[in-house]
Amino acid sequence: DIQMTQSPSSLSASVGDRVTITCRASQSISSYLNWYQQKPGKAPKLLIYAASSLQSGVPSRFSGSGSATDFTLTISSLQPEDFATFYCQQSYNRVTFGGGTKVEI
Amino acid sequence: EVELLESGGGLVQPGGSLRLSCAASGFPFNTYAMSWVRQAPGKGLEWVSGISGSGGTTYYADSAKGRFTISRDNPKNTLYLRMNSLRAEDTALYYCARDSGVGAAPNWYFDYWGQGTLVTVSS
Repeated sequence: DIQMTQSPSSLSASVGDRVTITCRASQSISSYLNWYQQKPGKAPKLLIYAASSLQSGVPSRFSGSGSATDFTLTISSLQPEDFATFYCQQSYNRVTFGGGTKVEI
Repeated sequence: EVELLESGGGLVQPGGSLRLSCAASGFPFNTYAMSWVRQAPGKGLEWVSGISGSGGTTYYADSAKGRFTISRDNPKNTLYLRMNSLRAEDTALYYCARDSGVGAAPNWYFDYWGQGTLVTVSS
């Protein structure tokens, strides 16, 4: 099974900050990496697919990069509505999610 | 507008069974693979099971294999998850999720999610 490790597990940031979350796969997954945002009491929302493609309707301040085993989600300028938990997910071999990164004030 | 509405959750004793349903609307249901993803209270996301658009191919996480059965009724636009031999560790909010791709094989990432149905396994 492919394991996905996110870091950090939580971070504190302020509005306007540049935020970077990393995700590492236990083996190469090419670009089969996706990112979701989940707010409390809500379902996850797809942000980025195939490592760097922005899902329709997602603000351009979100971006993804990486390939093989190392990936990054970047929020260029954190907005109040971005405080949430973010999950990476590999789709190379079925589905595995990372443990999540909580972004809080 | 795509909508996914789960139902069927509740309190069940260990060893018991439950059938979850997910009513879909707003898209051609039979052309999309679907999955169930769960989230234990305060924990992360765990994929449970998936099914092709036709229903002819099913997929399971190791935690679900042999106990859970995924199925779909395309004329009724409904996805199901039959869960048997339930354990305390199956307690979670269960989401149904639409696979992002159209076609025979899943893309294995999800562009629409329901709001979830809560399953509690406890005596």
